[in-house]
Amino acid sequence: QSALTQPRSVSGSPGQSVTISCTGTSSDVGAYNYVSWYQQHPDKAPKLLIFDVHKRPSGVPDRFSGSKTGNAASLTISGLQPVDEADYYCASFAGNNNLAVFGGGTTLTVL
Amino acid sequence: EVQLVESGGGVVKPGGSLRLSCVASGFTFSQFAMNWVRQAPGKGLEWVSGTRASGLDTYYADSVRGRFTISRDNSKDTLYLHMNSLRVDDTAVYYCARDPFDYGGNSGYFHHWGQGSLVSVSS
Repeated sequence: QSALTQPRSVSGSPGQSVTISCTGTSSDVGAYNYVSWYQQHPDKAPKLLIFDVHKRPSGVPDRFSGSKTGNAASLTISGLQPVDEADYYCASFAGNNNLAVFGGGTTLTVL
Repeated sequence: EVQLVESGGGVVKPGGSLRLSCVASGFTFSQFAMNWVRQAPGKGLEWVSGTRASGLDTYYADSVRGRFTISRDNSKDTLYLHMNSLRVDDTAVYYCARDPFDYGGNSGYFHHWGQGSLVSVSS
């Protein structure tokens, strides 16, 4: 069982917005503003999309945004494009030298 | 360009050992914390282990603590993962991943990734 809970799948049409949720506990997501999101295309290495809940590394489009409320974080992708079809993972620092706990991943389908 | 190239994966029997290597280029290796993250076939990501830039501090997931050892040789720009007492559920692609920040500590974020090395534990 994964430490953080994500929906198995979400879908949307090109141009629409989708939000992927990530639910943790008061020991991880709720305790720290150290939430990150990763995008992984099939047979490729993951790519960092969001860190510190809402910050984007250089080169990540502003169509990707992150937020957090209490023990839950979310990733919103606006203006969906076919290239956004991928798996998405959230992660959080969890203290006690546990640098990162991941969610189980969400498959985004662009219809 | 940042490059991370893993090697050393393969097939091993339960209880066996293996050492993974990750050779880095395109950045000053000694300034960045490094990590290993794995992904079992068809499954999600799992952080395995991390080390500060100096190599003096190391961190492990509960699932591997006491069996795996992370180390680095900053003179060779290389990260290692020594894996002992391997179990079937250690079967995964193991990624080497670099921290985003050059302050030397572990942020818990993974900015640059290698292509991965497959470890298969089977009798």
